[in-house]
Amino acid sequence: AQTVTQSQPEMSVQEAETVTLSCTYDTSESDYYLFWYKQPPSRQMILVIRQEAYKQQNATENRFSVNFQKAAKSFSLKISDSQLGDAAMYFCAYRSASNQFYFGTGTSLTVIP
Amino acid sequence: GAVVSQHPSWVICKSGTSVKIECRSLDFQATTMFWYRQFPKQSLMLMATSNEGSKATYEQGVEKDKFLINHASLTLSTLTVTSAHPEDSSFYICSAPKTPSGEKLFFGSGTQLSVL
Repeated sequence: AQTVTQSQPEMSVQEAETVTLSCTYDTSESDYYLFWYKQPPSRQMILVIRQEAYKQQNATENRFSVNFQKAAKSFSLKISDSQLGDAAMYFCAYRSASNQFYFGTGTSLTVIP
Repeated sequence: GAVVSQHPSWVICKSGTSVKIECRSLDFQATTMFWYRQFPKQSLMLMATSNEGSKATYEQGVEKDKFLINHASLTLSTLTVTSAHPEDSSFYICSAPKTPSGEKLFFGSGTQLSVL
């Protein structure tokens, strides 16, 4: 089974600074999707960004970008110009070819004003 | 974007009673829905995969008779916690991948269940 590992239970960043959240995964599949989801205190899961494994180009969504290293099975999230509203739990997720989603254990991000 | 509606948002019940949680896809058809359980400050634990018109697929360790799942239509899946006990208290979240490719997963807002 696929596993998703987030080795940083907690991270903090100064407002307006940049922070990178780490994620690694284990799979034998070649075709899959990777995601970062944000869960604020409301606990509503919000899609931040996604990456198709067959695409070499790293996905970017405004202040959010990823560093996708397929060979290393690494998928980190970079948040630039951090804002107070970015404070949340961030989950890395893997979608298999069979449409199963696997989530990491999460990283709690604190933004310091 | 696609919307998944989940109700109720929170429920308090007495031990031994049953609680039903509804999950609806409002603007797309969902042949598959996922039910997760989340403990405080922990990740989402997949409980079962709900399939429209057929039996749900339960993850190992999840009691089928305890957590009844019904997916009677392409827009509605329900999770019924039967004979609830305090240890069933948790945050339950449903989600649905938007077809046809299903690469995007949309989540309901979750249900906080407290069993007294």
